Amino acid sequence: QVLLQESGPGLVKPSETLSLTCTVSGGSISTYYWSWIRQPPGKGLEWIGYVYYSGSTNSNPSLKSRVTISLDTPKNQFSLELNSVTAADTAVYYCVRLDYGDPGFWYFDLWGRGTLVTVSS
Amino acid sequence: HSVLTQPPSASGTPGQRVTISCSGSSSNIGSNTVNWFQQLPGTAPKLLIYSSNQRPSGVPDRFSGSKSATSASLAISGLQSEDEADYYCATWDDSLNGPSVVFGGGTKLTVL
Repeated sequence: QVLLQESGPGLVKPSETLSLTCTVSGGSISTYYWSWIRQPPGKGLEWIGYVYYSGSTNSNPSLKSRVTISLDTPKNQFSLELNSVTAADTAVYYCVRLDYGDPGFWYFDLWGRGTLVTVSS
Repeated sequence: HSVLTQPPSASGTPGQRVTISCSGSSSNIGSNTVNWFQQLPGTAPKLLIYSSNQRPSGVPDRFSGSKSATSASLAISGLQSEDEADYYCATWDDSLNGPSVVFGGGTKLTVL
C-alpha cells in the first residue's frame, strides 16, 4: 500500500520561503508524476504543480515564478518550495500522486493527509 | 474565481438522485477528460471519477460521471447520508502558458 506523508514547518513568516517534503512509502517514486495541491481554509482546491520521475516539472502559471518542485529519488521524497509568501498562501498543502498516460487518461489517485501551513509574523 | 464553474450547493433526501454540474470552455473540458473528487469534512479529497465517466475500484456504482461539449456532470443515485460532502471537478486547461490543472470551486452537498 503506497502512502504519502507531508512534513515541514506549520508557520512561515511573510516574505520567507515555504518548504515542504512528501515522503512516499510502500512504493517507488521512480514512476508517476508527483504533485502538490493546496486548499486555503474554507475554500477550494488549487493545483500548484508536479514533478515527473525524470525530473521534468510543470506548475500553475499563477504561481510559476515562485514555485520549485524537486525530486529526491534515493530518499523516495519530493519537495515544494514557495518563495515570497504572503497570508494568501496560508492553506492545507497536499502531496498527491498523478497517474498520467494516454490522452484523456489521468487522475490524482493517492493523497497525503495534508499539512496546514500558516503565513504570519 | 475558478476556471470551472460549479453550483456552490446542492441537496437531496435519502434515496434521491442528485446531479452536480461543472461548466468550462473549449480549452479545458472541451478538449480534456474530467476527474471528480469527494471531500468529507476534515479529510483529503478522494477520487470518485476519472476519464469523465470511469469509477476507480471501490467506488460504488451509485456515482456516475458524464461529459458533453464544455460541461461535465456528476450524478449520485440512491443518496445516502454519508454522501454529505464537498465535491470538486478538475481537468486540464490548455492555455497559452502551457497545460495546467484547473479545479471547480466545489459544491457542498447536503443530505436533508
